[in-house]
Amino acid sequence: GNSVTQMEGPVTLSEEAFLTINCTYTATGYPSLFWYVQYPGEGLQLLLKATKADDKGSNKGFEATYRKETTSFHLEKGSVQVSDSAVYFCALSENSGNTPLVFGKGTRLSVIA
Amino acid sequence: EPEVTQTPSHQVTQMGQEVILRCVPISNHLYFYWYRQILGQKVEFLVSFYNNEISEKSEIFDDQFSVERPDGSNFTLKIRSTKLEDSAMYFCASSSQVNQPQHFGDGTRLSIL
Repeated sequence: GNSVTQMEGPVTLSEEAFLTINCTYTATGYPSLFWYVQYPGEGLQLLLKATKADDKGSNKGFEATYRKETTSFHLEKGSVQVSDSAVYFCALSENSGNTPLVFGKGTRLSVIA
Repeated sequence: EPEVTQTPSHQVTQMGQEVILRCVPISNHLYFYWYRQILGQKVEFLVSFYNNEISEKSEIFDDQFSVERPDGSNFTLKIRSTKLEDSAMYFCASSSQVNQPQHFGDGTRLSIL
């Protein structure tokens, strides 16, 4: 079956540091890939997505590239801010039909000033 | 920006009691979902719903669970006889079309005593 594996957290960084959160996936077909973010006390918000190989999703300074050869979708940001502190979830869904999201376990990021 | 809204934000219920979690999806969306997140674990798919019927359900969604769209706006998840292990955060999501990103509500925290 489909699955998503994320790096274990928590991750603690100083403000303006470079962020990478690794995500790899296993899928039978050619899925769409997503990063969702959950700020404290809030629900899941879509951060970015990519629907096919070599696509790059980007939003709010975050980027992730769909790498089919390594089945990866690593999240990166060049300079994190305190306001980026949240839990980040990598997810996939098959591109056929109304299919559910399969989530990774989530990675908690804490950014300190 | 339109939002998915969930009520209540926190529900405390005695074991064995019935509980109904409510969701108002984004108004022009056609596909609806329930997910849950047990504390410290990954977000898990429960059920998807389209055209007034269940499209797909997971192994978690057993006979104790049911979903309904009683009118043009609400989408409900009912747990008929709650168990301790039903304690979790329950998220509702909706999307406008197949393969479009799912938009999540802030969740209902369900605590079974």
